[in-house]
Amino acid sequence: GDSVTQMEGPVTLSEEAFLTINCTYTATGYPSLFWYVQYPGEGLQLLLKATKADDKGSNKGFEATYRKETTSFHLEKGSVQVSDSAVYFCARGSGGSNYKLTFGKGTLLTVNP
Amino acid sequence: DADVTQTPRNRITKTGKRIMLECSQTKGHDRMYWYRQDPGLGLRLIYYSFDVKDINKGEISDGYSVSRQAQAKFSLSLESAIPNQTALYFCATSAQTGTLSTDTQYFGPGTRLTVL
Repeated sequence: GDSVTQMEGPVTLSEEAFLTINCTYTATGYPSLFWYVQYPGEGLQLLLKATKADDKGSNKGFEATYRKETTSFHLEKGSVQVSDSAVYFCARGSGGSNYKLTFGKGTLLTVNP
Repeated sequence: DADVTQTPRNRITKTGKRIMLECSQTKGHDRMYWYRQDPGLGLRLIYYSFDVKDINKGEISDGYSVSRQAQAKFSLSLESAIPNQTALYFCATSAQTGTLSTDTQYFGPGTRLTVL
């Protein structure tokens, strides 16, 4: 079935460090791919998404590229800030209408000043 | 005002009690979802609904039931709560966007449920 595997945390970085959080997905169908972010005490918010191979999603300095050949959708940011501290979830749609999302287990990122 | 609201935000109850969690949305979306979040397990889908007359089980529906009272309201019930249902529960909504299949789900703030 559909599954998403993402890098387990926690990840601790200093401010302005480079961030990569790895995410791979099962290659069934043609899913849309998503990164959601959950700030402390809040619900999930869409951070970025990509709908087909080679698409790059970007938002707030974060980027991820839909790599069909490696079934990956790694999240990157060149210079993290303290305010980026949160839990990050990779998710894939179910293919077709993508009405169901399958989430990875989440990666806790802590950025220290 | 938030587009997706959940009530209550926090609830502590005892084993065997019936609990209802409510979700309302003002986004005009037709699809609604219930998830639970457990540490280290990510989010798992409990139930989802495409419209008032269409309700479907997710991967972990045992012990839960739902009611779609209106397009904007979707409630989750625990008929007889047990301690391993202690979790953070999220409601989400989405809308079909034509044929491009680019559903984005919008989440409520969550309900923290503790079953003693």
